[in-house]
Amino acid sequence: DTGVSQNPRHKITKRGQNVTFRCDPISEHNRLYWYRQTLGQGPEFLTYFQNEAQLEKSRLLSDRFSAERPKGSFSTLEIQRTEQGDSAMYLCASSLQYFGPGTRLTVL
Amino acid sequence: DQQVKQNSPSLSVQEGRISILNCDYTNSMFDYFLWYKKYPAEGPTFLISISSIKDKNEDGRFTVFLNKSAKHLSLHIVPSQPGDSAVYFCAASDRDDKIIFGKGTRLHILP
Repeated sequence: DTGVSQNPRHKITKRGQNVTFRCDPISEHNRLYWYRQTLGQGPEFLTYFQNEAQLEKSRLLSDRFSAERPKGSFSTLEIQRTEQGDSAMYLCASSLQYFGPGTRLTVL
Repeated sequence: DQQVKQNSPSLSVQEGRISILNCDYTNSMFDYFLWYKKYPAEGPTFLISISSIKDKNEDGRFTVFLNKSAKHLSLHIVPSQPGDSAVYFCAASDRDDKIIFGKGTRLHILP
């Protein structure tokens, strides 16, 4: 499978816990994007990378959120001290045309 | 403030007829527009795009029209098929290369 993969596909956690998601993009793509989608909304931009450099972060990305792409390949998105409002589908994209299946986060 | 607007939350179309999905945008800096299709529990799937230097792009059953003066674009699907039932997102990009999505339109293809 040469598409974008995301793990885990589903995550249920209790409020206050930390969670980390992983995205493996298409190998030759330099750009990697993170988006968040809540019910009834379109995907909202969070951040993106050009190789290992994080080029832009949305105002949606509070201090509790951090994203890394250490070697310019896979990326991780960590949410610390999760809140119920963090419940959403977190989407990763490898270039603008290839989205992964997403990680659905539920914060209880 | 929503920069990309899809004002119809849902649309029902008879199988075999034309489906027309509409999208408006407010940011005149947008120069690239995309349409995505999304099934439940999956990520968006890219369908078709158009650059601001064009007013039409066609790919099989899908055609996108761009009216820059009206800041309006539309996606035409003809003929509509049952597998086209999904949520369709309009998206736009400026030179920054990140994309801004609309809220989506749910398309129902009726037998």
